[in-house]
Amino acid sequence: SQQGEEDPQALSIQEGENATMNCSYKTSINNLQWYRQNSGRGLVHLILIRSNEREKHSGRLRVTLDTSKKSSSLLITASRAADTASYFCATGKGAQKLVFGQGTRLTINP
Amino acid sequence: DAGVIQSPRHEVTEMGQEVTLRCKPISGHDYLFWYRQTMMRGLELLIYFNNNVPIDDSGMPEDRFSAKMPNASFSTLKIQPSEPRDSAVYFCASGAVWAGGTGELFFGEGSRLTVL
Repeated sequence: SQQGEEDPQALSIQEGENATMNCSYKTSINNLQWYRQNSGRGLVHLILIRSNEREKHSGRLRVTLDTSKKSSSLLITASRAADTASYFCATGKGAQKLVFGQGTRLTINP
Repeated sequence: DAGVIQSPRHEVTEMGQEVTLRCKPISGHDYLFWYRQTMMRGLELLIYFNNNVPIDDSGMPEDRFSAKMPNASFSTLKIQPSEPRDSAVYFCASGAVWAGGTGELFFGEGSRLTVL
């Protein structure tokens, strides 16, 4: 079964607005990662947050992690048309398996 | 580095035929993963290798699926015989693992398989 579950499944916003996606997981983790997938392409790593971290930034990306709630959020600020893609969270613990959620389809409207 | 290279990018075959997908990981990465992506089931981990040794193949759906990694620079995923329900995009990914768990994975562009 999937470890991470993203919410919402689909999100459509106007260019320039902020986009927030959430991820929930079921068991304890060592780290949580976010990936982006453009249509017809492979996944690209965006950011990794460790279980002992609460927040991390990378450019226009902000990731939070709440291990007590087993949840994470990805915020993309000042969205651009090029941000249109599917976004996946992935969790890993101990053994080196990385399990992905179903993803959030983000559409940025010009 | 050229990244993870997969071939073929597209494969159309008929039910019952053998399919072989190939992957060249990034040099120096000691982990290699095979994933399958479908609309219904999302991204599923099929199998992964560490230093060319299969570690966990619990995600391989049936005996019709097999994977090998004869050396650090090459892996294959074989389906024999293929069935229409095997139609999916198959991704290969490589990476390194550290004490904190799985590190960043680098994905290939995928092999889109259609079984008629």
